Amino acid sequence: GAGVSQSPSNKVTEKGKDVELRCDPISGHTALYWYRQSLGQGLEFLIYFQGNSAPDKSGLPSDRFSAERTGGSVSTLTIQRTQQEDSAVYLCASSLSRSNSPLHFGNGTRLTVT
Amino acid sequence: GQQVMQIPQYQHVQEGEDFTTYCNSSTTLSNIQWYKQRPGGHPVFLIQLVKSGEVKKQKRLTFQFGEAKKNSSLHITATQTTDVGTYFCAGDTYSGAGSYQLTFGKGTKLSVIP
Repeated sequence: GAGVSQSPSNKVTEKGKDVELRCDPISGHTALYWYRQSLGQGLEFLIYFQGNSAPDKSGLPSDRFSAERTGGSVSTLTIQRTQQEDSAVYLCASSLSRSNSPLHFGNGTRLTVT
Repeated sequence: GQQVMQIPQYQHVQEGEDFTTYCNSSTTLSNIQWYKQRPGGHPVFLIQLVKSGEVKKQKRLTFQFGEAKKNSSLHITATQTTDVGTYFCAGDTYSGAGSYQLTFGKGTKLSVIP
């Protein structure tokens, strides 16, 4: 079946511009995560959605970052007034439920801020 | 907050040698998951361990969960070039009120010299 789909796969933007990254999780998966991975580094947790519960935003690095999940499915991560240090691969993952369920990652969006 | 330490950060081995990566948590885990990320790819789920002292094998890979459910290891016997990548552990803890927290280690990057 279809996996987690992310778009765009690559995004180059100028410093100061806003960007939107999209994630289409696997159908039926109630949990959705966003991670950030800088070159050669680990996975930095950003935000987590579970069903209709309030999202866990504890990993968002600044108020320039926000995310929403509409209808419990598609999610959009928005970065306002992008900075060069925002350059990274943004990974989305979904899972069947919150606990004891493996994460299925998308291919990520490579964001480059010039 | 919960911390998951993973060592070593890098490992270079000759093809045919064994490889082990270790994961240690500051708190007792409900389960631990292991992922592999090939160069240029996204993390892919390998396995989940739930029970104290559990050992699982996948061909040349052996996964262990400690008796206290605070540490885990991944051992690869007779490495092959196809094993190249970064191996991440992710510890899941119950934080109360039906909420879980999944924390990734920083990963061990494995290089295999043919």
